[in-house]
Amino acid sequence: AAGVIQSPRHLIKEKRETATLKCYPIPRHDTVYWYQQGPGQDPQFLISFYEKMQSDKGSIPDRFSAQQFSDYHSELNMSSLELGDSALYFCASSPSWNSPLHFGNGTRLTVT
Amino acid sequence: SQQGEEDPQALSIQEGENATMNCSYKTSINNLQWYRQNSGRGLVHLILIRSNEREKHSGRLRVTLDTSKKSSSLLITASRAADTASYFCATDPQQGQNFVFGPGTRLSVLP
Repeated sequence: AAGVIQSPRHLIKEKRETATLKCYPIPRHDTVYWYQQGPGQDPQFLISFYEKMQSDKGSIPDRFSAQQFSDYHSELNMSSLELGDSALYFCASSPSWNSPLHFGNGTRLTVT
Repeated sequence: SQQGEEDPQALSIQEGENATMNCSYKTSINNLQWYRQNSGRGLVHLILIRSNEREKHSGRLRVTLDTSKKSSSLLITASRAADTASYFCATDPQQGQNFVFGPGTRLSVLP
């Protein structure tokens, strides 16, 4: 069965650089979520999209932005990277609100 | 403030024993879900319990929900070494379209 695909799997950037993370949800899933997970931490909600419109926003820094495209894939753009942005970034999709989330394997971002 | 909080934060047991993890939350919810995460990997959904349900079973998993105490427990029976992972509860606040995860319980099942 198709799963949520995230790319790249690993990303190394320097401080003040920009990074773009991509997420391809499971086909026919209409909701996409982005989460950030620091080492030993719980996943922190960043932002969600329903049918290509932003549906909710969590603790996402102003330096980050995200969008969902017409083909339902989503991108998380991160600018002016800081050391503290080093984390695992997960995308998840679900077929409808209140349904279980299907997670990708994440992008590990390291900022040096 | 943290929506879901897990207890204990780490649990080490022998194979064959039962493992119980607890989760507390603060606001009203529609449902509560439990997820499992192997180190460095994505979270995998285990079970969902709705706010009008009190108990749910799935294989070796048993989940309870007490909305009056705003708490849930996950019981894994007859644990196996392969159950070693971190377990998170996630709640959906009735306002907003997101799921809030607790800090997780790191379970180690020793052979």
